[in-house]
Amino acid sequence: SQQGEEDPQALSIQEGENATMNCSYKTSINNLQWYRQNSGRGLVHLILIRSNEREKHSGRLRVTLDTSKKSSSLLITASRAADTASYFCATDRSSNTGKLIFGQGTTLQVKP
Amino acid sequence: KAGVTQTPRYLIKTRGQQVTLSCSPISGHRSVSWYQQTPGQGLQFLFEYFSETQRNKGNFPGRFSGRQFSNSRSEMNVSTLELGDSALYLCASSPGRSDQETQYFGPGTRLLVL
Repeated sequence: SQQGEEDPQALSIQEGENATMNCSYKTSINNLQWYRQNSGRGLVHLILIRSNEREKHSGRLRVTLDTSKKSSSLLITASRAADTASYFCATDRSSNTGKLIFGQGTTLQVKP
Repeated sequence: KAGVTQTPRYLIKTRGQQVTLSCSPISGHRSVSWYQQTPGQGLQFLFEYFSETQRNKGNFPGRFSGRQFSNSRSEMNVSTLELGDSALYLCASSPGRSDQETQYFGPGTRLLVL
């Protein structure tokens, strides 16, 4: 079963706009990771945020984590057509198990 | 460093056959995890190997098995294929030394069972 629920399931915006995706999870975690997937290909790692961190930035990406609400958000600023992809959050609950539990993903379409 | 590689990239099999997929991790990474992705179930964890030992296992039937070699390369095997095994199979590698590690994914093997 999936650990996370992602919201929205699909998002369509214009180039230049910001895109926000949310992820909720059910159990305590060590860290939460965001991945991007283009057209059913491999997953590209975007960012990892530890359970004791609240916010992290990487280029145009901003991730927040609220462990009290068991939720995270991914903000992509100034979106580009190349950002069109599916975005997944994944949680790591246990130590050294290599087991990520993925949400169902948000499909983002950025229109030029 | 070269990324995670998976072979073959595409595979077509018929029901009842078996299949072996291969994954070569990033050099120096000792942990390899396998995931199955389907439209209905999403991304699901199969198992993880570290230093040739299975360290964790997901909720899949015994038809799904794997192993890891001394060079950290890993294979997964699916026996008695069913139509529902059609999926994208992804492997991911990480150093395996801590619980705060990024997993790096390969391009996947797309399996179609007819």
